Amino acid sequence: KNEVEQSPQNLTAQEGEFITINCSYSVGISALHWLQQHPGGGIVSLFMLSSGKKKHGRLIATINIQEKHSSLHITASHPRDSAVYICAVRNYGQNFVFGPGTRLSVLP
Amino acid sequence: DAGITQSPRHKVTETGTPVTLRCHQTENHRYMYWYRQDPGHGLRLIHYSYGVKDTDKGEVSDGYSVSRSKTEDFLLTLESATSSQTSVYFCAISADSSYNSPLHFGNGTRLTVT
Repeated sequence: KNEVEQSPQNLTAQEGEFITINCSYSVGISALHWLQQHPGGGIVSLFMLSSGKKKHGRLIATINIQEKHSSLHITASHPRDSAVYICAVRNYGQNFVFGPGTRLSVLP
Repeated sequence: DAGITQSPRHKVTETGTPVTLRCHQTENHRYMYWYRQDPGHGLRLIHYSYGVKDTDKGEVSDGYSVSRSKTEDFLLTLESATSSQTSVYFCAISADSSYNSPLHFGNGTRLTVT
């Protein structure tokens, strides 16, 4: 069993839809990161969470430490949101463990 | 954006040749990481460094070596490239190991071993 799992693996949405991507992990963590990777592009850090909820523009990230679960929400989705979204956890040390990614396609 | 530069961006090489990838940062961050990204796999750690001359192996370190002689540079060497090392390689940096230290990535190096 992978230490970090994401669902769904692939997601297609219509422009304007509300999107949720889930991440669950099985190890103790000090922080959870959400990353975005556009096709052929680099990887950008969206959020870093250790508790609660963060919001940036149309993106919202939440984490439930007790349930070892995090969600990334995108409101009013747009085709430019099409990317792979990666969940990563930092254990109580110096390394990170990455989920397999969720590929999102937002159709106009 | 964090100042991380990977070079080269693209490289094609032949099996058996040595290859060195460079990661250069201008952030003075302590931690530097080399990952590879392959279809069907998440990012996998090759090697990481927690200071000058301080390095350690990751989960897929076989066939790779690293060096860090200066804070700003972290080199990844494939001593004798194999086709299984065809991949996209990402360098990442983090200021320290605290929970609130973000992770920043370079733009990646696409390596093809023929």
